[in-house]
Amino acid sequence: DTEVTQTPKHLVMGMTNKKSLKCEQHMGHRAMYWYKQKAKKPPELMFVYSYEKLSINESVPSRFSPECPNSSLLNLHLHALQPEDSALYLCASSQFSRGARNEKLFFGSGTQLSVL
Amino acid sequence: QKEVEQDPGPLSVPEGAIVSLNCTYSNSAFQYFMWYRQYSRKGPELLMYTYSSGNKEDGRFTAQVDKSSKYISLFIRDSQPSDSATYLCAMSGTGNQFYFGTGTSLTVIP
Repeated sequence: DTEVTQTPKHLVMGMTNKKSLKCEQHMGHRAMYWYKQKAKKPPELMFVYSYEKLSINESVPSRFSPECPNSSLLNLHLHALQPEDSALYLCASSQFSRGARNEKLFFGSGTQLSVL
Repeated sequence: QKEVEQDPGPLSVPEGAIVSLNCTYSNSAFQYFMWYRQYSRKGPELLMYTYSSGNKEDGRFTAQVDKSSKYISLFIRDSQPSDSATYLCAMSGTGNQFYFGTGTSLTVIP
């Protein structure tokens, strides 16, 4: 099983709303990622969790708040977003072991977010 | 200079053609090389994975890595209209970051 499950698939929200994106994997991977992707661009890294601890935050605005409740789950809490935040939000995971090797990255199908 | 360079295309070929997609990179520490296929508004799907240099074949797809030239390729034989998508190369070394090319848009014309 190489599946990363993301919900919801589509989300429309107003600028004053609070919503959450959810991601789940059961591959035993210890690194989980949030990426943002605009049309015709590559995925842009937002956050990385390694062993349930936030290890990378790519200067993302505080209106995006990640959470890793356990090794299988990853959430992204959204609050007071702007229209320019409309994008495809991708969750991914990889089998990252301490001491370095980081091999394949598996993506979920994404959440298409529209901010009105 | 970007870590990974990829010609964005677009690339348009007739059905049955052989397609060649390429990426170059600058970081000699990269050891793991991936190709993803992405359909519009969907997540990238891992297509091929190669560790270090060499070739890997899976059905109609062949991935090549030349670490001495810092150059990787994906070949698609007997291309089909269903192969129409954006193809992303990605690579990593130690640490938990992956580096992506900009993606090449491919259209296979029936």
